[in-house]
Amino acid sequence: QKEVEQDPGPLSVPEGAIVSLNCTYSNSAFQYFMWYRQYSRKGPELLMYTYSSGNKEDGRFTAQVDKSSKYISLFIRDSQPSDSATYLCAMSYLGTGANNLFFGTGTRLTVIP
Amino acid sequence: NAGVTQTPKFQVLKTGQSMTLQCAQDMNHEYMSWYRQDPGMGLRLIHYSVGAGITDQGEVPNGYNVSRSTTEDFPLRLLSAAPSQTSVYFCASSRDRTREKLFFGSGTQLSVL
Repeated sequence: QKEVEQDPGPLSVPEGAIVSLNCTYSNSAFQYFMWYRQYSRKGPELLMYTYSSGNKEDGRFTAQVDKSSKYISLFIRDSQPSDSATYLCAMSYLGTGANNLFFGTGTRLTVIP
Repeated sequence: NAGVTQTPKFQVLKTGQSMTLQCAQDMNHEYMSWYRQDPGMGLRLIHYSVGAGITDQGEVPNGYNVSRSTTEDFPLRLLSAAPSQTSVYFCASSRDRTREKLFFGSGTQLSVL
């Protein structure tokens, strides 16, 4: 079983739609939860960062963490064509080593004008 | 402030050739790492460094070497290229070992024939 599971999509939505992207995980030790956005032929860029459970909002983006269900979500309101990208979830836990950061495989999103 | 700079952007090698992928960051980050990204596999950690003179293996280190003589630079060496090393390579850095906020370079697309 992978540490982090993410539906690869692809996901196609009309402009203005609400988008929901999700990841599940198996390791209850994860404490930091991130979402990265990756445009085609570019490196990932950090979009949202959450520590432990709860919601975090930044403009049109909301990150949600449910540690009891081992489930994280990213919501995009009023989606725009510029949101078309691959979204990677990531999560990590503190430890003595540095090999404790795990990425999902990414969900490819297309927002159609 | 350039962030994380990777060179080259594209490279084609023949099987058995060696080469070095360059990575430099100007943010005085302690942690640096190399990932490869393959379709359906997500980002996989190759090697990482928690400071100058300190390196360690990640998930897929075979066939790669790294060194970290300065805080700024973290080159990745392919010793004898194989077709299985065809991939997109990303260098990433973060301020500290928790790595919850990674800054990625723009990537190197490598093809090994």
